[in-house]
Amino acid sequence: GENVEQHPSTLSVQEGDSAVIKCTYSDSASNYFPWYKQELGKRPQLIIDIRSNVGEKKDQRIAVTLNKTAKHFSLHITETQPEDSAVYFCAAETNAGKSTFGDGTTLTVKP
Amino acid sequence: GAGVSQSPRYKVAKRGQDVALRCDPISGHVSLFWYQQALGQGPEFLTYFQNEAQLDKSGLPSDRFFAERPEGSVSTLKIQRTQQEDSAVYLCASSFGGIGETQYFGPGTRLLVL
Repeated sequence: GENVEQHPSTLSVQEGDSAVIKCTYSDSASNYFPWYKQELGKRPQLIIDIRSNVGEKKDQRIAVTLNKTAKHFSLHITETQPEDSAVYFCAAETNAGKSTFGDGTTLTVKP
Repeated sequence: GAGVSQSPRYKVAKRGQDVALRCDPISGHVSLFWYQQALGQGPEFLTYFQNEAQLDKSGLPSDRFFAERPEGSVSTLKIQRTQQEDSAVYLCASSFGGIGETQYFGPGTRLLVL
């Protein structure tokens, strides 16, 4: 089955700095890669996603890159703000609808 | 409109009890997913419905877990003879179409088995 590894598990940055979270996956059948933000005690919320026919996608301060050959994808957050502090999860979904999540990255943005 | 809702939000069960967790997806959403999230970990896939058809149940941990969506809308996840290791947050998500579409998560049901 699919295996998704996410790094780092914790990340602390100063406000205004950039943050990068990386994920690798194993199943070449995976073709949809969403990123979720989950605040403590809350539900996961989609922040950005990318499909396997695209290499990069950007939405304001958030960008995702995908290297399908190497089977890795990354989340980039620029100009971080304290409200970006949360747990971030990557996921890989196959064309059969099954999603596998990473173990999460706890991002802390220090004011 | 209303998002995905789940009930109950919290459930305490004694070991051996049966529990039923309910998910109300966003109206008109075809696909519905159940996940189990242990503390400090990412959600783990349990099962997936498209309308009333259960297309994948490979993530259900044992035959004590059963999910249904008889009319293609509301879904129920049932856990029989609960064990302590079943303690987790159970998340439901729905999406408008099929695969590769945005999943909208519910608030989850936090299950504690004593």
